Amino acid sequence: QKEVEQDPGPLSVPEGAIVSLNCTYSNSAFQYFMWYRQYSRKGPELLMYTYSSGNKEDGRFTAQVDKSSKYISLFIRDSQPSDSATYLCAMRISDMRFGAGTRLTVKP
Amino acid sequence: NAGVTQTPKFQVLKTGQSMTLQCAQDMNHNSMYWYRQDPGMGLRLIYYSASEGTTDKGEVPNGYNVSRLNKREFSLRLESAAPSQTSVYFCASSESYGQGPPYQETQYFGPGTRLLVL
Repeated sequence: QKEVEQDPGPLSVPEGAIVSLNCTYSNSAFQYFMWYRQYSRKGPELLMYTYSSGNKEDGRFTAQVDKSSKYISLFIRDSQPSDSATYLCAMRISDMRFGAGTRLTVKP
Repeated sequence: NAGVTQTPKFQVLKTGQSMTLQCAQDMNHNSMYWYRQDPGMGLRLIYYSASEGTTDKGEVPNGYNVSRLNKREFSLRLESAAPSQTSVYFCASSESYGQGPPYQETQYFGPGTRLLVL
């Protein structure tokens, strides 16, 4: 079993939809949780960074961490074609562990 | 600021050949990392360097060596390339902030090197 599980998709939604992306993990020691966005043939870039459990909002993006269920989510409101990318969850104690990434396409 | 730069962008090797992937950052970060990205596997850490003069193994170090040349540069060497090392390689750098915990840390990634080993 992988330490971090993420559904690879692909996920296709119409413009304006609410997108929900999720990861589960097995190591309860993870304390820091991140979401990265990766455009095709580019390096990942950090979207959201949270510590321990709870919610964090930044514009159209909301990250949720439920440590009791070992489950993290990223919600994208009013999705735009420019949100089309692969979204990677990541978490760490010392070094990082990444999910495999979910490919998202937002259609105009 | 160029951020994190990597060379080359693309490389084809034959089995058994050697090569060095170069990485440089201009953000004055202490920590640098090498990852590989394979379909369905996500990013996996090969080696990292917490500061100039130190290196440590990550999740998948076999077949690789690294050198932290100075604070800016961190190279990854394949001594004898194998087809299993066909991948996209990313270099990253980071710095921790805050009195912590929690510590804020952002890893900044380079554009990647696509390596094909035949």
